Amino acid sequence: EADIYQTPRYLVIGTGKKITLECSQTMGHDKMYWYQQDPGMELHLIHYSYGVNSTEKGDLSSESTVSRIRTEHFPLTLESARPSHTSQYLCASSQTEQFFGPGTRLTVL
Amino acid sequence: KNQVEQSPQSLIILEGKNCTLQCNYTVSPFSNLRWYKQDTGRGPVSLTIMTFSENTKSNGRYTATLDADTKQSSLHITASQLSDSASYICVVSDRGSTLGRLYFGRGTQLTVWP
Repeated sequence: EADIYQTPRYLVIGTGKKITLECSQTMGHDKMYWYQQDPGMELHLIHYSYGVNSTEKGDLSSESTVSRIRTEHFPLTLESARPSHTSQYLCASSQTEQFFGPGTRLTVL
Repeated sequence: KNQVEQSPQSLIILEGKNCTLQCNYTVSPFSNLRWYKQDTGRGPVSLTIMTFSENTKSNGRYTATLDADTKQSSLHITASQLSDSASYICVVSDRGSTLGRLYFGRGTQLTVWP
């Protein structure tokens, strides 16, 4: 089992709220990633980081933002949640191979 | 456009039976191919990883094959168990970037019935 954690596991929230999805890893990996996955669909990369103070946007445009102040921590923030943000968000980290966290299932009402 | 296509989209088999899942890809330049198992509501977990020079790799009851010439891979599950019910995702990595970008298939949803 990979040492990568995500909280909360499930979140139901109203439109317009600000939310932060937490992701942390204890493996000392430099690279970290956020993916978005809808049911029955492939994972889409929305953000990645090569290391501290490095963040880049992925292939899928997202209104979320990320930060990488510490190696082990890579939180994702939505300033104003909307129903279109309803999805599963998966965090991953790698040195060579990617290890995935358990995911956060977000529902915006 | 780099793509990964998987078939079938879904599959139902009886416990104890074998099955084979297929993956075709167009990713280039190719680096490696992974098969992941994703349980409902969980993150993907790696089953096998194969590079260009490898054409078969096993992990317990899971055996993956790779034909780099035809750009096809398969995952064979032997003597299926109820716990094998999950989505199986084919993931191909290119070697054209330092990120080692991953290209994901949509997965095959496997259901094992008792």
